[in-house]
Amino acid sequence: QITLKESGPTLVKPRQTLTLTCTFSGFSLSTTGEGVAWIRQPPGKALEWLTLIFWDDDKRYTPSLEDRLTITKDTSKNQVSLTMTNLDPVDTATYYCARLTVTMKSFDSWGQGTLVTVSS
Amino acid sequence: DVQLTQSPSSLSASVGDRITITCRASQAIRSNLGWYQQKPGKAPKRLIYLASNLDSGVPSRFSGTGSGTEFALTISSVQPEDCATYFCQQHNTYPFTFGPGTKVNIK
Repeated sequence: QITLKESGPTLVKPRQTLTLTCTFSGFSLSTTGEGVAWIRQPPGKALEWLTLIFWDDDKRYTPSLEDRLTITKDTSKNQVSLTMTNLDPVDTATYYCARLTVTMKSFDSWGQGTLVTVSS
Repeated sequence: DVQLTQSPSSLSASVGDRITITCRASQAIRSNLGWYQQKPGKAPKRLIYLASNLDSGVPSRFSGTGSGTEFALTISSVQPEDCATYFCQQHNTYPFTFGPGTKVNIK
């Protein structure tokens, strides 16, 4: 059974840096083909893909946010982290991590999501 | 970026109705499209992968068709538990993109 869970702060001040962690089980990022992505959803709005990382450390970012995002993995802990700098109230959203594979780049398993509010 | 448009943006259906949601891509994406169902306050759940393949455990009343730029998700006989928002997502080209969603209400 594959599970993912996001953790991190729920309230961040403008211009601060956000770090979220995705802890997963049921698969390993040391296995060929495996990957983890971050997706966000502002309240009442559509989903937005942010970034992903594959087992071979291949990383991809959405161009509009690339200069603010960093994704890393800790294979030994089964964790993937997302860092986003210079937060703004428009970054208020539910942040999800999700599993994908290199051969099937849609998201077959999702975490429950964590709501991050950016406010002073 | 590949833009995805969905129609309709919302619909209201009676139990047992057949409904179809369409997703159009701004450029050809082969069959690299997934469909997701999201209920209020919950994470999305994938229903269909590679345009027409049903995920394990998903009821057979759901089906997906299409390739290139035109795709559809059909529910053959809508049930009360299908009340949700449905999103398409392309993974043919980075950045991956999602459609704006179609909200399905049950009368």
